[in-house]
Amino acid sequence: DTEVTQTPKHLVMGMTNKKSLKCEQHMGHRAMYWYKQKAKKPPELMFVYSYEKLSINESVPSRFSPECPNSSLLNLHLHALQPEDSALYLCASSHQGQAGNQPQHFGDGTRLSIL
Amino acid sequence: QQPVQSPQAVILREGEDAVINCSSSKALYSVHWYRQKHGEAPVFLMILLKGGEQKGHDKISASFNEKKQQSSLYLTASQLSYSGTYFCGTEKLGAQKLVFGQGTRLTINP
Repeated sequence: DTEVTQTPKHLVMGMTNKKSLKCEQHMGHRAMYWYKQKAKKPPELMFVYSYEKLSINESVPSRFSPECPNSSLLNLHLHALQPEDSALYLCASSHQGQAGNQPQHFGDGTRLSIL
Repeated sequence: QQPVQSPQAVILREGEDAVINCSSSKALYSVHWYRQKHGEAPVFLMILLKGGEQKGHDKISASFNEKKQQSSLYLTASQLSYSGTYFCGTEKLGAQKLVFGQGTRLTINP
């Protein structure tokens, strides 16, 4: 069991659907991240939130919309996704400190399939 | 820019040692190491911040050569539980984001 909880664990959706992925942590971390991971590939950073504000957007298509309603929650809203968006979506969190010196704690991910 | 890991895959017998390397063409502020088992979350192993720094816990240790912009992960007397894919993540000063290498798949056989 990880300390970062992601729901749902699996999601199948059509290209016209709207759905949301949720991530929750109660470790007091003020930095939260969304990553996308394809099979046999490393996690690729999508978004970084620092103190509930979006600090990094890695040129992610607008069909992915992140939201950080409070310091414990992170959402990823999905709309009009493409089949190539099928992947494992990982959420991570860390203490906000000097760049690079804080370990990231990952959730188990949401496995997303686009039909 | 993505760091380069080598080797891409390693197969060992239980009790053997392994070294995984991570190299970058850019000046690095830190190197993180994570292990991911199939179908599970990546798990943090260690962070190295200073040139020449070495860290370790249990029989897994790592070094960071700042001049060469290279880090190495050492697994000693490997156990079955060490199987998985190992990722290094590198961070440039001020970037506040990790870029992961392509991963090294480690298989430990009895």
